[in-house]
Amino acid sequence: KAGVTQTPRYLIKTRGQQVTLSCSPISGHRSVSWYQQTPGQGLQFLFEYFSETQRNKGNFPGRFSGRQFSNSRSEMNVSTLELGDSALYLCASSFLQGANTEAFFGQGTRLTVV
Amino acid sequence: SQQGEEDPQALSIQEGENATMNCSYKTSINNLQWYRQNSGRGLVHLILIRSNEREKHSGRLRVTLDTSKKSSSLLITASRAADTASYFCATDADGGSNYKLTFGKGTLLTVNP
Repeated sequence: KAGVTQTPRYLIKTRGQQVTLSCSPISGHRSVSWYQQTPGQGLQFLFEYFSETQRNKGNFPGRFSGRQFSNSRSEMNVSTLELGDSALYLCASSFLQGANTEAFFGQGTRLTVV
Repeated sequence: SQQGEEDPQALSIQEGENATMNCSYKTSINNLQWYRQNSGRGLVHLILIRSNEREKHSGRLRVTLDTSKKSSSLLITASRAADTASYFCATDADGGSNYKLTFGKGTLLTVNP
């Protein structure tokens, strides 16, 4: 079974631009979550999607948004980029059978804002 | 906010030795997972332990969970240079339809050949 695939792996953007990151979950997984990892704040939850619905959102500004498609693939978008948005963005997919289920992560997208 | 706190922040050992990392958390949980991350890459899932379990093994890994102390430990036996990585614990407090993991800051393990 293929793992979680995130594209692109690396991105360099300029302040004020917007960016879209993509995540393809493991086949059959319907839950996709996004996390931001920075040296200062560590790993922080952004949002979670299940069956095309955002069910949970972390404490991030409205510039951070996402969506999930009918095939469970997900995208996250960051508008009006700031230098502080430079981070590793990780996507996780879960089967979500009951409350006890593993989350499997992709390799991440390294975003650098200059 | 960080739910889990790993201890120690950094650990350096020799190949063949055992490595123990600890994780403490603040609220009741449904499960706790341990992950490995190599140098800024993706997280590799190591093991999940449910709140009603006390110990779990997977190969050279042994995880314990003490819900009364809100703590978990990860033991890596007979360590190898390839085990050099950051290790994170993650808790799922909501569970069910609100899937959200809260991570600790991690332990950086260095295994010297």
